[in-house]
Amino acid sequence: EDKVVQSPLSLVVHEGDTVTLNCSYEVTNFRSLLWYKQEKKAPTFLFMLTSSGIEKKSGRLSSILDKKELFSILNITATQTGDSAVYLCAVTRITGGGNKLTFGTGTQLKVEL
Amino acid sequence: SAVISQKPSRDICQRGTSLTIQCQVDSQVTMMFWYRQQPGQSLTLIATANQGSEATYESGFVIDKFPISRPNLTFSTLTVSNMSPEDSSIYLCSGKGAGGTDTQYFGPGTRLTVL
Repeated sequence: EDKVVQSPLSLVVHEGDTVTLNCSYEVTNFRSLLWYKQEKKAPTFLFMLTSSGIEKKSGRLSSILDKKELFSILNITATQTGDSAVYLCAVTRITGGGNKLTFGTGTQLKVEL
Repeated sequence: SAVISQKPSRDICQRGTSLTIQCQVDSQVTMMFWYRQQPGQSLTLIATANQGSEATYESGFVIDKFPISRPNLTFSTLTVSNMSPEDSSIYLCSGKGAGGTDTQYFGPGTRLTVL
């Protein structure tokens, strides 16, 4: 069975701090890894990663995948209170055409003033 | 990104009743999915909604409890049948476009409370 583990489960930081969120996975026939931000109900898409070592970046957020060590990190620099959310990592398999997202339990981030 | 709407946004229901949740997607979406997020848990895939045919259910989910319809490309419904308090969750619809992308976009979700 596919397994996605995120750490830490939760953390509290101050505005301006840099945070690193971790996602490790065990999945047969890995295809891709996706990051989402969930503030209230709906997860919003951040990144999709398929290749090792290629950083994806969007503003203060960046992410990278290591397919050898089976993990990904999500970095947020100069954090703001608006970054407070649950960050979800999900993986897909080649078999099944990448349709099924298997999610981790998420990291709850709180950014305080 | 795809535009996905869902209703109702929330509901409070009595034990033993059923609730139907609707999901509307824009034309960029080719595949539709239904997820459940129980309190304090992550998202779990319930089923893939197939246009004009029976949905494909994941292990642990059955059609009698979660009947799903998708009469056309852009609309789907999920019914939560014979509800119990354990069905209290957020139910989310998602859509995926064509072209081999794995990215799924999520609707705003339905927060269901069963008393």
